[in-house]
Amino acid sequence: GENVEQHPSTLSVQEGDSAVIKCTYSDSASNYFPWYKQELGKRPQLIIDIRSNVGEKKDQRIAVTLNKTAKHFSLHITETQPEDSAVYFCAAGRNQGGKLIFGQGTELSVKP
Amino acid sequence: SAVISQKPSRDICQRGTSLTIQCQVDSQVTMMFWYRQQPGQSLTLIATANQGSEATYESGFVIDKFPISRPNLTFSTLTVSNMSPEDSSIYLCSVTGTRSYGYTFGSGTRLTVV
Repeated sequence: GENVEQHPSTLSVQEGDSAVIKCTYSDSASNYFPWYKQELGKRPQLIIDIRSNVGEKKDQRIAVTLNKTAKHFSLHITETQPEDSAVYFCAAGRNQGGKLIFGQGTELSVKP
Repeated sequence: SAVISQKPSRDICQRGTSLTIQCQVDSQVTMMFWYRQQPGQSLTLIATANQGSEATYESGFVIDKFPISRPNLTFSTLTVSNMSPEDSSIYLCSVTGTRSYGYTFGSGTRLTVV
């Protein structure tokens, strides 16, 4: 069945450094790849997403890259800040409105 | 994006009882989903709530345990039946609309079974 693997499970960086989280997916029909940020006790919030017709997308300090051939995608956060500390989830889905399968999550800690 | 009202926000229930969780959206959405998130874990899809027909369940989840209703395009319920402590978790609804790939989550229901 569909599966999304996410690494690392925990990541600790110094404020100002970059953070990279990687995901691989198994369903070759997947064409939508969102990233969610979940702070403690809160709902997941969409921070960026990418569709399969592009290889990279940026939004200020956040970028996502996609390699469809290798079936992997990554989240890049530059100039990290303590408020970036949270759990980040990648997900993969097919077709507009299809179900999303989530990765296991990465707990990011940004130390001041 | 859609605004979701999910109720209750939390509950403590006795084992063997059932709890129904409601998800109300402020606009018509095409797809509604129910997820479970156990403490410190990822989100696991329980089922897709289909309007006017039976929900589509993922492997490991069955209708007798998690009956779902979706009478219209803005409302769905998930019932957790015959609860045991293993059902203690956060349950979240998620929706997506017709014109966007974006998916929005409800605020979640924190369920504790004692």
